[in-house]
Amino acid sequence: TQLLEQSPQFLSIQEGENLTVYCNSSSVFSSLQWYRQEPGEGPVLLVTVVTGGEVKKLKRLTFQFGDARKDSSLHITAAQTGDTGLYLCAGGGTNAGKSTFGDGTTLTVKP
Amino acid sequence: NAGVMQNPRHLVRRRGQEARLRCSPMKGHSHVYWYRQLPEEGLKFMVYLQKENIIDESGMPKERFSAEFPKEGPSILRIQQVVRGDSAAYFCASSPLILAGDFYNEQFFGPGTRLTVL
Repeated sequence: TQLLEQSPQFLSIQEGENLTVYCNSSSVFSSLQWYRQEPGEGPVLLVTVVTGGEVKKLKRLTFQFGDARKDSSLHITAAQTGDTGLYLCAGGGTNAGKSTFGDGTTLTVKP
Repeated sequence: NAGVMQNPRHLVRRRGQEARLRCSPMKGHSHVYWYRQLPEEGLKFMVYLQKENIIDESGMPKERFSAEFPKEGPSILRIQQVVRGDSAAYFCASSPLILAGDFYNEQFFGPGTRLTVL
């Protein structure tokens, strides 16, 4: 069974601060997705990383896939209140179609 | 350009009743997934379907739960004889046809159905 552990579980920061959240596993994933979910809504896909060591940037968000494709991180620069939400990572394994989701990091950015 | 659609958005049932949740995937998507989410928790995989086929139901409870994705019409998640522990948000996601060697498993989610069992 492939498991993804996300840390921290909860994070509360002031607007303008930087932060990093982590997604770790003992398993290798063929790809890894990051989603953001706002209360009362479904998750929205932010990015997919595929290659070990890959770094992708999406405005103030930087995503990194570990060299061994077992872990990933999401770094947010100068957080804004609109970044508040639940950040989920999901790994695609060898079974086509089935993703494993972490339990998420709940981020609160205070004005 | 509609995304994944789910209905109803909210469903209230009494213990012992049946709950029927519907999901229409994005246009052109042939794969549907159902997930369950409890408050402040992540998504728990339930079932993965293609048209007229259940591909992986390893996350489905053995009793009372069933899912289908017919040739025509939406995918249905059916919960019979609901109990209070079934109260949760149920999300459907879809993905396009997966081509060999090009598998990223990006899934696009609907807004969810919030089931409350009284």
